[in-house]
Amino acid sequence: AQSVSQHNHHVILSEAASLELGCNYSYGGTVNLFWYVQYPGQHLQLLLKYFSGDPLVKGIKGFEAEFIKSKFSFNLRKPSVQWSDTAEYFCAVNARNNNDMRFGAGTRLTVKP
Amino acid sequence: GAGVSQSPSNKVTEKGKDVELRCDPISGHTALYWYRQSLGQGLEFLIYFQGNSAPDKSGLPSDRFSAERTGGSVSTLTIQRTQQEDSAVYLCASSFDRNQPQHFGDGTRLSIL
Repeated sequence: AQSVSQHNHHVILSEAASLELGCNYSYGGTVNLFWYVQYPGQHLQLLLKYFSGDPLVKGIKGFEAEFIKSKFSFNLRKPSVQWSDTAEYFCAVNARNNNDMRFGAGTRLTVKP
Repeated sequence: GAGVSQSPSNKVTEKGKDVELRCDPISGHTALYWYRQSLGQGLEFLIYFQGNSAPDKSGLPSDRFSAERTGGSVSTLTIQRTQQEDSAVYLCASSFDRNQPQHFGDGTRLSIL
């Protein structure tokens, strides 16, 4: 079964700083990759997804992620964070030959105004 | 409503009692998932329904856990003889099919005393 690792548990940044959250997965087959965000008090929302094609994926709110197949990675980036980006970020992997979605443990992002 | 609806939002019960958690997916979504999120952990897959097919129960942690989905729509997750380790947020998600992004409800926070 696939597994997902998010190495940063808690990231604290100042506004306008650049962000990169790591995500690595272990699975040898074809996968769909996702980043979800959970703002305080809200349910999970999809930030961006990768199914195929251009490995650099643009999402909402200025986020992007790059799928590097050789590194089994799907890191999330944003050039300049805002206070409103404070949230929990989850990387998720869905192997195309089974039913379940595996999530990482999440990374808490705190952006200081 | 347009989103996935879960009820109750919070449930506190005594150890040994049975609980039922409800999920009302987005209309037209054939795939329905139950997850749980324990403190400090990522989302743990529990069970998956796809249309009228037999559910994938591979994630259920014990035989105290069961779920059904009536008429391909509303789903109920039942936990019998609850234990303290069952305390978690139980999340439901639905999607058009298993390879499409999932839409999550707000979850049910279950606390076992």
